[in-house]
Amino acid sequence: DAGVTQSPTHLIKTRGQQVTLRCSPKSGHDTVSWYQQALGQGPQFIFQYYEEEERQRGNFPDRFSGHQFPNYSSELNVNALLLGDSALYLCASSPWDSYGYTFGSGTRLTVV
Amino acid sequence: GEDVEQSLFLSVREGDSSVINCTYTDSSSTYLYWYKQEPGAGLQLLTYIFSNMDMKQDQRLTVLLNKKDKHLSLRIADTQTGDSAIYFCAESRDFGNEKLTFGTGTRLTIIP
Repeated sequence: DAGVTQSPTHLIKTRGQQVTLRCSPKSGHDTVSWYQQALGQGPQFIFQYYEEEERQRGNFPDRFSGHQFPNYSSELNVNALLLGDSALYLCASSPWDSYGYTFGSGTRLTVV
Repeated sequence: GEDVEQSLFLSVREGDSSVINCTYTDSSSTYLYWYKQEPGAGLQLLTYIFSNMDMKQDQRLTVLLNKKDKHLSLRIADTQTGDSAIYFCAESRDFGNEKLTFGTGTRLTIIP
């Protein structure tokens, strides 16, 4: 049974560009959360999607947006990239009605 | 606001016990978690404790919670080389799909 799958694993972008990261949740999970983990820091909550709607949002600017598809997979979009957006982006899936966070291995984004 | 703090580094001899400490500020924290992150991997949930508990034991892991002082600790008995990783303390106000607030992580190094 596949866990949470994220793609790509690594990505290099230039300042000002836009990026899309993808996440496929674990089978049976319908909720997807995104976290940003800067180097040497703990993960910070970006937002959470359930039933194709954003349900919770952390303290991130509007440059960060997301989407959830009918098959529960999700995308994280970041516009107008800044050097400070360089981080490991973690996706976590869970069932909406109970605890069961499963984290993916992340996408390492480097902005140059 | 929510804040979770941990010491950054801990070195322990193989076979000894490791004790990783965490303090949090949010008095609404209801659930407290310990996650493990190995290089190139996502976050693995080790254990969690509800705020009305003082202690929880799970094989080599013992979690102690001092709610008055908002202090959480993780003790790993008989530490092995495979325990080398970064350990994150996290809190949430509810179980299920509440966002997690993470500490900065403690890097545990095992000395042979």
